[in-house]
Amino acid sequence: DGGITQSPKYLFRKEGQNVTLSCEQNLNHDAMYWYRQDPGQGLRLIYYSQIVNDFQKGDIAEGYSVSREKKESFPLTVTSAQKNPTAFYLCASSIGGRPASGVLGYTFGSGTRLTVV
Amino acid sequence: AQKVTQAQTEISVVEKEDVTLDCVYETRDTTYYLFWYKQPPSGELVFLIRRNSFDEQNEISGRYSWNFQKSTSSFNFTITASQVVDSAVYFCALRQDTGFQKLVFGTGTRLLVSP
Repeated sequence: DGGITQSPKYLFRKEGQNVTLSCEQNLNHDAMYWYRQDPGQGLRLIYYSQIVNDFQKGDIAEGYSVSREKKESFPLTVTSAQKNPTAFYLCASSIGGRPASGVLGYTFGSGTRLTVV
Repeated sequence: AQKVTQAQTEISVVEKEDVTLDCVYETRDTTYYLFWYKQPPSGELVFLIRRNSFDEQNEISGRYSWNFQKSTSSFNFTITASQVVDSAVYFCALRQDTGFQKLVFGTGTRLLVSP
């Protein structure tokens, strides 16, 4: 079955360390996204990528980095510059960034819960 | 700027009660899309419905129904005869029709259905 796989489901990081969250999709979607979810704040966009080798900052990109070397993969690195990284991270994909596509919106992964210890 | 407001942070009901989740949005676009997603305790977001700004017909899907009113910029979601399995966080989201396909989410409403 097609879908999005995020790993790991739970991740613990020591302060000052970088950590990378994995996101893989086999839906042949062009666009991929990373969202951060905090209690009471909904989902906020970190980074997005419309096509391979291209990505753009979202609303809260500071302290994060991404790469898009392959269509199916969009890993997110939480760097030590991110002051409050403890959160739930959701990866998503859509057919494309153009409004005519992605009729059903996004497909989401099951998330990674990151905790700084 | 686009904004989605879900004023109800948490709602508790007893099984079989009807419940309505409110969603109010702001946008300057004349064409846009509205969505509802369900987030069960497992964490993933499950797509429930998409509505474009030109289609104001209400929609019913089983126990779920949606009331879209452009005049009040609202897209409310009603669950009829709620069940324990409906317990989840529900998000309303807005996507513009121009530029990149970015979804703007509300803060979510946590629904707790007790037996």
